[in-house]
Amino acid sequence: SQTIHQWPATLVQPVGSPLSLECTVEGTSNPNLYWYRQAAGRGLQLLFYSVGIGQISSEVPQNLSASRPQDRQFILSSKKLLLSDSGFYLCAWSETGLDGYTFGSGTRLTVV
Amino acid sequence: AQSVTQPDIHITVSEGASLELRCNYSYGATPYLFWYVQSPGQGLQLLLKYFSGDTLVQGIKGFEAEFKRSQSSFNLRKPSVHWSDAAEYFCAVVVRDDMRFGAGTRLTVKP
Repeated sequence: SQTIHQWPATLVQPVGSPLSLECTVEGTSNPNLYWYRQAAGRGLQLLFYSVGIGQISSEVPQNLSASRPQDRQFILSSKKLLLSDSGFYLCAWSETGLDGYTFGSGTRLTVV
Repeated sequence: AQSVTQPDIHITVSEGASLELRCNYSYGATPYLFWYVQSPGQGLQLLLKYFSGDTLVQGIKGFEAEFKRSQSSFNLRKPSVHWSDAAEYFCAVVVRDDMRFGAGTRLTVKP
C-alpha cells in the first residue's frame, strides 16, 4: 500500500535561517506531489505541485521554493525564513490529480 | 472567479444531534468534489468523494454528502454526531488536475 512520510513534525527556526522540509511517498511511481500551507485559522493554500521529476509549478510567488530530485521525493525550501512563513505545511500526493489527495501528517513551522 | 465556499466558519452541535456542513462551488463544469476532516495538528483525511453518478455518496465514519447541481452544492451530513467528530472539515474541488479547498468549518460537539 501507498504511504506518505513528512518530516519533521515540528520545527522552530529563527528569522533569516534556511528551511528544508522533506516529503517522500512509498508504494507508487510517478505520483503528483503537492505542498500546501495552512496558516492559523485559515484554509489550505497550494504552494507548489509537481507532475514529475524536476517539474515544479508555483502557485504563489514568495521566498519559498520546491524541488523534486527523485520520483517520490518532494522538498520545500527557503534560503531565508520570514515571520510570515510560520504555519502548518502539508505534503500530499495523488495518482492522477483527479482521484483525491492523500496527505502527510504535516509540519508545524514556527519562525521566531 | 472560480471558488469553493464554506459559509460556516464554526458550528456547534450537541452529541447525538444531526449535522449538516455546507459547501458551494462556482466552476463552469461539474468538478470532482471531496470532503476532508482534519483533527488538531494532523493531516487531512478523506471522508468521501463525488465524481459522477448517484448524487448521494457515502463516506467513512457515518458521513454522507449530496451533490446538487442546481444549487452548486455538496453538503456533508451525519445523522448523529459523536464527540470524536469534533474537528475541522474541508470541502474541496478538483478542476484541471489541482485541488482547491474551502476555508474550512470547525465543528465543536457539546456533551
